[in-house]
Amino acid sequence: SQTIHQWPATLVQPVGSPLSLECTVEGTSNPNLYWYRQAAGRGLQLLFYSVGIGQISSEVPQNLSASRPQDRQFILSSKKLLLSDSGFYLCAWANRAFYGYTFGSGTRLTVV
Amino acid sequence: GQNIDQPTEMTATEGAIVQINCTYQTSGFNGLFWYQQHAGEAPTFLSYNVLDGLEEKGRFSSFLSRSKGYSYLLLKELQMKDSASYLCAVRDGAGGGNKLTFGTGTQLKVEL
Repeated sequence: SQTIHQWPATLVQPVGSPLSLECTVEGTSNPNLYWYRQAAGRGLQLLFYSVGIGQISSEVPQNLSASRPQDRQFILSSKKLLLSDSGFYLCAWANRAFYGYTFGSGTRLTVV
Repeated sequence: GQNIDQPTEMTATEGAIVQINCTYQTSGFNGLFWYQQHAGEAPTFLSYNVLDGLEEKGRFSSFLSRSKGYSYLLLKELQMKDSASYLCAVRDGAGGGNKLTFGTGTQLKVEL
């Protein structure tokens, strides 16, 4: 069966510090991968998605970047965090037939 | 682009039935999903509609009318554990990637 791992679960970082969140999927090949952010009391906002290694599409101009160095690995990064980067970050995967997403457990990021 | 509307909050009584509505406007509709999200957790898949009509899955049912841009999620025999946010999401198959655009969610509170 397929599983998705996302870490860390919580993170408190100072303004101006770098960020690296990692997501890996097991039990499937060539998945579509997604990064979403959910700000407090708000909906899910798609940040990036990837259909293959090295292929990244950005949905919203921002202070973040994403990379897919391996088929089942998706990384969200920032060089310098802003207060507005605080939120609940969710990684998700979907297969090519697309019957919806399976989400990772999420990372709650607080920038102080 | 996508525009998705759903009520912000609803309250219902344990054992009752509740209907959560969702309306959408989209340029490339390719299916509608419902997710459940408990506080502090990742969303989990509930249902998927791509054709008009009702899909039933245990205590949960979802209905779609593509001509009206309308869906609802029906929860029967409500339990306290059903207190959660319910997210309506529309699939955009255009442009590759199979992305989901989410509504802001309906916070359901189940009371005794």
